Amino acid sequence: DAGVTQSPTHLIKTRGQQVTLRCSPISGHKSVSWYQQVLGQGPQFIFQYYEKEERGRGNFPDRFSARQFPNYSSELNVNALLLGDSALYLCASSLGEPYNSPLHFGNGTRLTVT
Amino acid sequence: DAKTTQPNSMESNEEEPVHLPCNHSTISGTDYIHWYRQLPSQGPEYVIHGLTSNVNNRMASLAIAEDRKSSTLILHRATLRDAAVYYCILRDVDGTYKYIFGTGTRLKVLA
Repeated sequence: DAGVTQSPTHLIKTRGQQVTLRCSPISGHKSVSWYQQVLGQGPQFIFQYYEKEERGRGNFPDRFSARQFPNYSSELNVNALLLGDSALYLCASSLGEPYNSPLHFGNGTRLTVT
Repeated sequence: DAKTTQPNSMESNEEEPVHLPCNHSTISGTDYIHWYRQLPSQGPEYVIHGLTSNVNNRMASLAIAEDRKSSTLILHRATLRDAAVYYCILRDVDGTYKYIFGTGTRLKVLA
């Protein structure tokens, strides 16, 4: 079975630009979460969607937004990029219910902002 | 926010057991304890999770203290492929679905 797939794998953007990251969950998984991982730190929660509805949001500015599509895939958008947005962006899918079902992560999108 | 405390790093010899500790004194009664590991250049990988009683799977064992304020991930025979950062995480207590990762324990396995 295919795991969680993320695209692109690497991306270089300039400050002030906008970026869209994409995630396809494991087949049958209805929940998608997004995490940001800065070098040397653990992943930080950004968003969680279940059945196309936002279920949770982390401490990130409004420049960060996301959505989930009817096929359960998801996009993460970041506007007005800052140098500090450079990080590995991870997508994770899960069954969603029960809520403690394990997360399955993709290998991430490495975003570099110059 | 629920928080966990782990040692920054640990070392183990190949083929020996490894006990990775985690403290989570603010755990709520319905929080599951999850363990993930992250190999270089990869996303975190699920290892094991449990609620109250000890759990075993093909990758590892999870020992949970009776008061649930701490747990230990046990790798029965460490291999070089087990070298990774190990994260002990809890579902956040505010009712959302987020998981709070700490800085994890970097496990080094010596040949």
